[in-house]
Amino acid sequence: GQNIDQPTEMTATEGAIVQINCTYQTSGFNGLFWYQQHAGEAPTFLSYNVLDGLEEKGRFSSFLSRSKGYSYLLLKELQMKDSASYLCAVLDSNYQLIWGAGTKLIIKP
Amino acid sequence: TAGITQAPTSQILAAGRSMTLRCTQDMRHNAMYWYRQDLGLGLRLIHYSNTAGTTGKGEVPDGYSVSRANTDDFPLTLASAVPSQTSVYFCASSALDSSTDTQYFGPGTRLTVL
Repeated sequence: GQNIDQPTEMTATEGAIVQINCTYQTSGFNGLFWYQQHAGEAPTFLSYNVLDGLEEKGRFSSFLSRSKGYSYLLLKELQMKDSASYLCAVLDSNYQLIWGAGTKLIIKP
Repeated sequence: TAGITQAPTSQILAAGRSMTLRCTQDMRHNAMYWYRQDLGLGLRLIHYSNTAGTTGKGEVPDGYSVSRANTDDFPLTLASAVPSQTSVYFCASSALDSSTDTQYFGPGTRLTVL
């Protein structure tokens, strides 16, 4: 079966750095997405990786290792507004998005 | 720019009743999707449409139907609601014109079936 694993919840301190991991087992791979979802709101697109390596976008970076079935989202200089759930999703061989359950990130002052 | 709109925002529905959740996008995207999101589970695809006039079944299609009469609208119908259909429903769309096919989401409909 297809499976996306990410931690259920993480806590970090304002101003710090946090890394949210995602491992996947899917039928085929056509890219990996990270989305941010604030409580009660819709998911919004953060990043897309299809090749191995690090993609940096301001305070957020996303890393992919296809051979290990592994990705992480790195958030730097954490702000209170970064408190949200972070969803990992993989585009499988049928170009369907398979979603992880999300990681709830709690930022403490 | 509206993007994707959904209606209603929330609804309480008696079991056995029917209901249509509406979704409209103004981005001229080819593909549209319906997901449900339940606590502790990832987004699960109910139905999708890659272009007007065509639809397909996702991971959890039972109890739901869709139509795609035009590019902009993609309504989701529950013919006879059951309590297990209590969920938050998100509509999404994507251009479907490249390998980086990013999906954009509507604000969601919170449905409670009693």
